[in-house]
Amino acid sequence: DTAVSQTPKYLVTQMGNDKSIKCEQNLGHDTMYWYKQDSKKFLKIMFSYNNKELIINETVPNRFSPKSPDKAHLNLHINSLELGDSAVYFCASSQFPGSNEQFFGPGTRLTVL
Amino acid sequence: GDSVTQMEGPVTLSEEAFLTINCTYTATGYPSLFWYVQYPGEGLQLLLKATKADDKGSNKGFEATYRKETTSFHLEKGSVQVSDSAVYFCALSDIGSSNTGKLIFGQGTTLQVKP
Repeated sequence: DTAVSQTPKYLVTQMGNDKSIKCEQNLGHDTMYWYKQDSKKFLKIMFSYNNKELIINETVPNRFSPKSPDKAHLNLHINSLELGDSAVYFCASSQFPGSNEQFFGPGTRLTVL
Repeated sequence: GDSVTQMEGPVTLSEEAFLTINCTYTATGYPSLFWYVQYPGEGLQLLLKATKADDKGSNKGFEATYRKETTSFHLEKGSVQVSDSAVYFCALSDIGSSNTGKLIFGQGTTLQVKP
């Protein structure tokens, strides 16, 4: 059983398009996160939700909008995609904010042409 | 703000060699420290952690000690295997007043182990 799953695994799209990435966790965790990993492997937090409420919102362009329909899901919608959005996006979850382990999904490689 | 600095990679070793990957941090409070590992094409997995000064985290032959006096959390393994080839990330948790669980990562160190 996959603990944290993401779809799609690969996403290739044109500049200006709108796309979504979905994340689901079956661990019963309260907290979910989105991270962006750039081409140099640097990882940075984007958003976090706890019990469907936004608790972390880093300085991310407002073209990025997370949505958490329930505790087990955290989706990421991106409007008007730009070349610089090309990256690997990782979803993660933890039992609660500040708990000592986050579980990561396999990543979604987004390529904007 | 809080930050993590890791040694530049890639690190290339022969099988059974000793591994050290340096990690230092800057934090205003008392963070928890972590090492995560990313195998090719996969997400990150927690390798080990330490939550307070002088704690030693260990797992799969890897270990790291939380050194408050030198603000360091260096990763070591006595004898690496080809299967240890991966990217290793040092991280700290932001446990300020908000306690949001935000992880701040170092830039990652790629380890290649040759047979």
